[in-house]
Amino acid sequence: NAGVTQTPKFRVLKTGQSMTLLCAQDMNHEYMYWYRQDPGMGLRLIHYSVGEGTTAKGEVPDGYNVSRLKKQNFLLGLESAAPSQTSVYFCASSYSTIWTTGTGYYNEQFFGPGTRLTVL
Amino acid sequence: AQSVTQLGSHVSVSEGALVLLRCNYSSSVPPYLFWYVQYPNQGLQLLLKYTSAATLVKGINGFEAEFKKSETSFHLTKPSAHMSDAAEYFCAVSEPGAGSYQLTFGKGTKLSVIP
Repeated sequence: NAGVTQTPKFRVLKTGQSMTLLCAQDMNHEYMYWYRQDPGMGLRLIHYSVGEGTTAKGEVPDGYNVSRLKKQNFLLGLESAAPSQTSVYFCASSYSTIWTTGTGYYNEQFFGPGTRLTVL
Repeated sequence: AQSVTQLGSHVSVSEGALVLLRCNYSSSVPPYLFWYVQYPNQGLQLLLKYTSAATLVKGINGFEAEFKKSETSFHLTKPSAHMSDAAEYFCAVSEPGAGSYQLTFGKGTKLSVIP
């Protein structure tokens, strides 16, 4: 199994250009996520999806759009790139929930290798 | 709302010394807690997780963490640091329940190991 893969690995854009980042997973996970990682900020959730055809906003959704047309793919789009979107983008996926004895469900996310995006 | 605080954005230890990375959480209910590791230019990999079973959790590569409810802490330790442990470490929290899929991450601690 390849796990979670992301394309491209690197990209340089000019301000105002658009692009789409592709995330694919082969683990049959229901849930998928897009994060951005910036120095000293940890990971911040951009958008997520709890199933094919459904998406929701995370902590920092402005300037991004997403689509989940197939269960295994989750696309992140930048319609008009800005320098503030220079970051490393990570995709992750998980089962909906995993039952554990005691208090109930928990979530374990599996991450892709990341896409380093620079917007000039 | 849940939150995570990692004390120290950068920790340096000598090879063979004890590794201690601190994580404190805030949650309205007893949470689930995770430590992830990120090696340079790679994605995040799960080190260990606490899901309300044993409070002392053992993970990969000799790491372990202890859940202390009274201190709202989940510190990560390793008795003897190895050069290969140099990486960035992230603590994360989620709240139990059917909607527990969202993780909240700390800002990370970069571990350097000095030969």
